[in-house]
Amino acid sequence: EVELTQSPGTLSLSPGERATLSCRASQSMSTNYLAWFQQRPGQAPRLLIYGASTRATGIPERFSGSGSGTDFTLTISRLEPEDYAVYYCQQSGSTPYTFGQGTKLDLK
Amino acid sequence: EVDLVQSGGGLVQPGRSLRLSCRGSGFNFGAHAISWVRQTPGKGLEWLGFIRGRSYGGTTQYAASVKGRFTISRDDSKNLAYLQMNSLKTEDTAVYFCTRDRISGSYYLEFQFWGQGTQVTVSS
Repeated sequence: EVELTQSPGTLSLSPGERATLSCRASQSMSTNYLAWFQQRPGQAPRLLIYGASTRATGIPERFSGSGSGTDFTLTISRLEPEDYAVYYCQQSGSTPYTFGQGTKLDLK
Repeated sequence: EVDLVQSGGGLVQPGRSLRLSCRGSGFNFGAHAISWVRQTPGKGLEWLGFIRGRSYGGTTQYAASVKGRFTISRDDSKNLAYLQMNSLKTEDTAVYFCTRDRISGSYYLEFQFWGQGTQVTVSS
């Protein structure tokens, strides 16, 4: 099973700042199968990034993904008020598919 | 517009069964894989299993934590997918989501579309 560890657990930033979220896999994986999700309270997760770096349909350009092997990053270039949420990474390269434990992005 | 609408859920006693439904609209339902994911405050998001679309013969895979207790099925004529949950335990208490893959016929699934989620509470 591929374990995904996200850091930090909570990130406190102000609007307009840059956010950098990390996801580390317990074993090397193909970039094709790493995704990032955003989840706001009371809502279902929303696919932001798939294939480690490809934005899903309708996702603003301020969201970008990068990384390879075991280390992946989600970057939000300039935070907007609606970006404050919990972010999860997820792998679908091998079953069981797994999620990271999440990073909460807080308003500073 | 792609939409997934869930139904079922609620309060159930330990050891009993419950079936969740997920109705798809706005797309060729039978061509797409449907997965089930649950969320708890303690364990976060947990993938439970999927059922593939017709190009893969509707095959299923499950997480070890639910294999043998939960069954995923589909009725493409009704645009419905199901999660049958048997021998429920208190630790199955969670919000349950169905999700659809991003591209039909893809072997590796990307969860692009999600149902609204439904609460299942297992308690005596």
